[in-house]
Amino acid sequence: AQSVAQPEDQVNVAEGNPLTVKCTYSVSGNPYLFWYVQYPNRGLQFLLKYITGDNLVKGSYGFEAEFNKSQTSFHLKKPSALVSDSALYFCAVRSPGGSASKIIFGSGTRLSIRP
Amino acid sequence: GAGVSQSPSNKVTEKGKDVELRCDPISGHTALYWYRQRLGQGLEFLIYFQGNSAPDKSGLPSDRFSAERTGESVSTLTIQRTQQEDSAVYLCASSLIRGAGGAYNEQFFGPGTRLTVL
Repeated sequence: AQSVAQPEDQVNVAEGNPLTVKCTYSVSGNPYLFWYVQYPNRGLQFLLKYITGDNLVKGSYGFEAEFNKSQTSFHLKKPSALVSDSALYFCAVRSPGGSASKIIFGSGTRLSIRP
Repeated sequence: GAGVSQSPSNKVTEKGKDVELRCDPISGHTALYWYRQRLGQGLEFLIYFQGNSAPDKSGLPSDRFSAERTGESVSTLTIQRTQQEDSAVYLCASSLIRGAGGAYNEQFFGPGTRLTVL
């Protein structure tokens, strides 16, 4: 069975510092991995995805994520945090069953950027 | 339509009543998902529809929960005999899955229905 874990409930970073939000997964075969963001009182928005190819993928708002197959991780990163990045971040995984398989989400990590 | 819409936006009901939640996906999107998000928690998968395939119901928490979708259009999530633990935001998402690359496509989420069971 596929699963995804976000080990940190909350991450606190000072504005201008780099940030990392962690995600690990468990699937059989090669996964499809996604990051979504949920701003207060707004719906979930897609940030980026990894399907195949380059392990470093770039997405919206200056975010990027690194796929590490040996560590089964897909950590979200940003070189310089903004206060406006404060939100709830979700990692998601789809197993390589393609469209026949569902997408499941991690428990979420609340990112707080202090000025 | 511009995006995924859900109705009602808020629903307050009494314990034991039945409720129906509606989701209108983006036109042409073949895949539709329902998730539940309890306050301050992550997304809990409920059910997944893809085209004319049998839905994946593996996330439905009990037989009080059911969902239907006609073709590639509207879906309704029904909760019978609601309990207080059903209180949550119910999120619907859709995505376009056609062809070999379709499984890679991201989901588009609706604003959710906030259900409160008194």
